[in-house]
Amino acid sequence: GENVEQHPSTLSVQEGDSAVIKCTYSDSASNYFPWYKQELGKGPQLIIDIRSNVGEKKDQRIAVTLNKTAKHFSLHITETQPEDSAVYFCAAVEDRGSTLGRLYFGRGTQLTVWP
Amino acid sequence: DAGVIQSPRHEVTEMGQEVTLRCKPISGHDYLFWYRQTMMRGLELLIYFNNNVPIDDSGMPEDRFSAKMPNASFSTLKIQPSEPRDSAVYFCASSLKRAPSTDTQYFGPGTRLTVL
Repeated sequence: GENVEQHPSTLSVQEGDSAVIKCTYSDSASNYFPWYKQELGKGPQLIIDIRSNVGEKKDQRIAVTLNKTAKHFSLHITETQPEDSAVYFCAAVEDRGSTLGRLYFGRGTQLTVWP
Repeated sequence: DAGVIQSPRHEVTEMGQEVTLRCKPISGHDYLFWYRQTMMRGLELLIYFNNNVPIDDSGMPEDRFSAKMPNASFSTLKIQPSEPRDSAVYFCASSLKRAPSTDTQYFGPGTRLTVL
């Protein structure tokens, strides 16, 4: 099966700085890469995703990049705010259309944004 | 919609006891997933259902775990007998489309299970 590795496990930044979380995957068949944010006491929530036919995607202060050759993908948060503090998970899956590909999650990154 | 609803939010039990976790998916969603989250293993998919039918239970750790979905609005995850190593946060999630891999999975708040 797929193996997703995520780094760093913890990340502390000052408010206004940027934060970058990196993931690698092992299965070249994986072609869909969502990112989830988990706040304390809550379930993960999808914040952004990217498909393998796209190298970069941006949504306001959040961007994801994908290097399919190197099997790397990253989450970039600019102008961080204290409310960005949470655990962030990357995931990888093979999109098979109507049949389910199993989502494989990274181990998570605890992001702390200091005011 | 209230989102995915899970109960109880916290469960403390003793080793050997039966534990039942409950989930109500978002109305109209076709897929329901059960995940387990631990520090050691992260987020793991245990089982998922499509239209109330279990499709893949290969993530279920062992026979002590069982899951049912008697109707479109309710699912249970049962552990019998429970063991301390089952202590974890269990999440239920649901999604809508026929391409569930790439459709947003909406997670519930989770049930924190502690087995003493």
